[in-house]
Amino acid sequence: EPEVTQTPSHQVTQMGQEVILRCVPISNHLYFYWYRQILGQKVEFLVSFYNNEISEKSEIFDDQFSVERPDGSNFTLKIRSTKLEDSAMYFCASSVGIGSPLHFGNGTRLTVT
Amino acid sequence: AQSVTQLDSQVPVFEEAPVELRCNYSSSVSVYLFWYVQYPNQGLQLLLKYLSGSTLVKGINGFEAEFNKSQTSFHLRKPSVHISDTAEYFCAVTAQQGAQKLVFGQGTRLTINP
Repeated sequence: EPEVTQTPSHQVTQMGQEVILRCVPISNHLYFYWYRQILGQKVEFLVSFYNNEISEKSEIFDDQFSVERPDGSNFTLKIRSTKLEDSAMYFCASSVGIGSPLHFGNGTRLTVT
Repeated sequence: AQSVTQLDSQVPVFEEAPVELRCNYSSSVSVYLFWYVQYPNQGLQLLLKYLSGSTLVKGINGFEAEFNKSQTSFHLRKPSVHISDTAEYFCAVTAQQGAQKLVFGQGTRLTINP
């Protein structure tokens, strides 16, 4: 069964550094998402992406965050200048369309020191 | 906007006992409802979904859930649990119209004891 893949599985970075989290959604999916889960807390929506543009974003998704679909297969989340509070598990997800379930990757654990 | 409340943060159950994980939601528009499971160090896996039709939906691993519109609930049940069901369970909703943003509950940690 096709799946969403995320790399790397773990990323350690120093505060103030830029990080790029990478995702390969399922090939025929049209909607792409990033979520994050701070340790011990709920899964929170960051951003949704459709037709090569952001369709919705949360308050968490401030100017430090950006997303890109640089080619036909990758979907990236960039954090320009990481803060300690950005430490979390970041999940990428994709879906075929409205009403279809989201398929999640296994996540990237980001640790900011 | 939507919100989801999972009333129990932790549920310990003995093996082969039945279990119910509670989920209530709030929304001003019609929604689709989902349960996801997260095994240790893994991503979120879809257990089951309610889109329309029969209010009792069956999912993987013997789980089922019942949509109750009047009580705005979508409780998850399993008649007999196994050690392998130990995981975190998340209830989620999304509006039927517009961007398909999933809103998650806080999660319920299900622990199965032998």
